[in-house]
Amino acid sequence: EDKVVQSPLSLVVHEGDTVTLNCSYEVTNFRSLLWYKQEKKAPTFLFMLTSSGIEKKSGRLSSILDKKELFSILNITATQTGDSAVYLCAVRYYGGATNKLIFGTGTLLAVQP
Amino acid sequence: DVKVTQSSRYLVKRTGEKVFLECVQDMDHENMFWYRQDPGLGLRLIYFSYDVKMKEKGDIPEGYSVSREKKERFSLILESASTNQTSMYLCASRGRAVSENTIYFGEGSWLTVV
Repeated sequence: EDKVVQSPLSLVVHEGDTVTLNCSYEVTNFRSLLWYKQEKKAPTFLFMLTSSGIEKKSGRLSSILDKKELFSILNITATQTGDSAVYLCAVRYYGGATNKLIFGTGTLLAVQP
Repeated sequence: DVKVTQSSRYLVKRTGEKVFLECVQDMDHENMFWYRQDPGLGLRLIYFSYDVKMKEKGDIPEGYSVSREKKERFSLILESASTNQTSMYLCASRGRAVSENTIYFGEGSWLTVV
């Protein structure tokens, strides 16, 4: 069964801490892995990863993919209260006649002042 | 910027009512999707469409139908709403090109069925 598993389910940290969010997957015909941040509204796109070992970076956020071990991590350094959100991982893969996208359940991050 | 608009943000409907959720995108995307998001279950795909008048079932299509009469508009229909369809519904779109892996979401429609 194709699946995406995120861990931890939730996390509470203090401002300034560094956090690492995990996403593992089991799919056939992998295409790409995407990270989204969801606050009160719709998910907003963070990163798309297609190649192993190449870090994507945007400010304090970075992410890397390991296609051999089938996982990705999202790092957030020097966390701020504005980083509080649900972080979603999604994997795009070729399933039968079409490309499919499957989401993990998300990691809820709470950053306390 | 891509804009995906869901016209109804908050709805309260009675059991058995017919419910329409509308979604419009402005980037000429071929692919459009309807998801529902529930605590502990993440986003689950209900239906998707890869072209006008084309539709495919997702993982949880039961109790739902969709309509794609125009490229920019994808409607989700609950023929007879039930309480277990209380959820947050997200519409999304994506282009067809290989480079367009990213999907863009609308702001969500919160539906409560009483």
